[in-house]
Amino acid sequence: KNEVEQSPQNLTAQEGEFITINCSYSVGISALHWLQQHPGGGIVSLFMLSSGKKKHGRLIATINIQEKHSSLHITASHPRDSAVYICAVYHPNNQFYFGTGTSLTVIP
Amino acid sequence: GAVVSQHPSRVICKSGTSVKIECRSLDFQATTMFWYRQFPKQSLMLMATSNEGSKATYEQGVEKDKFLINHASLTLSTLTVTSAHPEDSSFYICSARDPRRPNTEAFFGQGTRLTVV
Repeated sequence: KNEVEQSPQNLTAQEGEFITINCSYSVGISALHWLQQHPGGGIVSLFMLSSGKKKHGRLIATINIQEKHSSLHITASHPRDSAVYICAVYHPNNQFYFGTGTSLTVIP
Repeated sequence: GAVVSQHPSRVICKSGTSVKIECRSLDFQATTMFWYRQFPKQSLMLMATSNEGSKATYEQGVEKDKFLINHASLTLSTLTVTSAHPEDSSFYICSARDPRRPNTEAFFGQGTRLTVV
């Protein structure tokens, strides 16, 4: 079993839809990252959070430490949001554990 | 904000040759950098931790003689894939931490797609 599980693995949405990607983890963490990987491969860190909720533009990330669960929400989705979204947790042993990613396609 | 730059973004090489990938921290000094490998539709996997001025720490199963890591300065780490084989074709990504920021935050390079023919 992976330390970090994401769902769904693949997601197709119509432009404008509200999108949720979920991440569950089984290890103790210091922080959780949501990463965005575009088709070319480059990775951008969208959020780093250790509690509560963060918002950046149309993106919202939440984390529940007790339940070991985080969600990434995209409001008013747009085709340019199409990418792979990766959940990464940072363990106190100074190691990252990565989910396998959610491939999002937003159709115009 | 802090930026990590990785070069080249794509490289094609012949079997048996060596390829060097560079990872630079552009506006901070990174005492530690990390090298990851990603196979298609799979998660990032840590290959090694690069420490400035000392030997890299390799993860189990990663051949240190094949994947040479040099962290000669506080802003540059290099990964050299030696005697490349087609099975080394993959996506390689580096990340680094700014010691001025929380230890939990990491910045990622753009990645290098290596194709060995």
